[in-house]
Amino acid sequence: GAVVSQHPSRVICKSGTSVKIECRSLDFQATTMFWYRQFPKQSLMLMATSNEGSKATYEQGVEKDKFLINHASLTLSTLTVTSAHPEDSSFYICSARRVGVEQYFGPGTRLTVT
Amino acid sequence: GIQVEQSPPDLILQEGANSTLRCNFSDSVNNLQWFHQNPWGQLINLFYIPSGTKQNGRLSATTVATERYSLLYISSSQTTDSGVYFCAVEGTGRRALTFGSGTRLQVQP
Repeated sequence: GAVVSQHPSRVICKSGTSVKIECRSLDFQATTMFWYRQFPKQSLMLMATSNEGSKATYEQGVEKDKFLINHASLTLSTLTVTSAHPEDSSFYICSARRVGVEQYFGPGTRLTVT
Repeated sequence: GIQVEQSPPDLILQEGANSTLRCNFSDSVNNLQWFHQNPWGQLINLFYIPSGTKQNGRLSATTVATERYSLLYISSSQTTDSGVYFCAVEGTGRRALTFGSGTRLQVQP
């Protein structure tokens, strides 16, 4: 099957610090990866589309200078939350698009900013 | 952008019962996927079904693309089926998935 991993699974950081989250496709190459955010009892909302070797495309209302995305290889995308604040606390989930159309999701990263 | 509506929002079943979850979407799609989100937040792929009918054990799904809806059937439900079921679609000209608001299923023993 297609496996996507995320690291870390859970992170607690202090307000004003930065946090990096890694997303890896373990058994397939993904030219496109996606980052979603999910608040409690809500659905997943797309934050940005990450394309290997090019700049990410951000959804309206998502600050690109705050949520830095890098897609350096066909199996790795990273999301860095800079100068984190308590309102950035959320569940961040990445997905990878396999050749064709079907997407596979990582297990998510729960970020708590204190 | 494309709109995705799921119904019902909440569903409580007794173990062994059958259920039907519905997903309506507002435009043509390249991709439609059903997911089960478990209590730890992991999204489990259930079906990739932009059209037609598929079955996998006690689960089956049907998408009628021309009428812009998809149905997920759960038969002989078990407590392990509890969780949130999401329908997500990829509209033409857009590669990301747009999620519905989900159906929260609780199966009681």
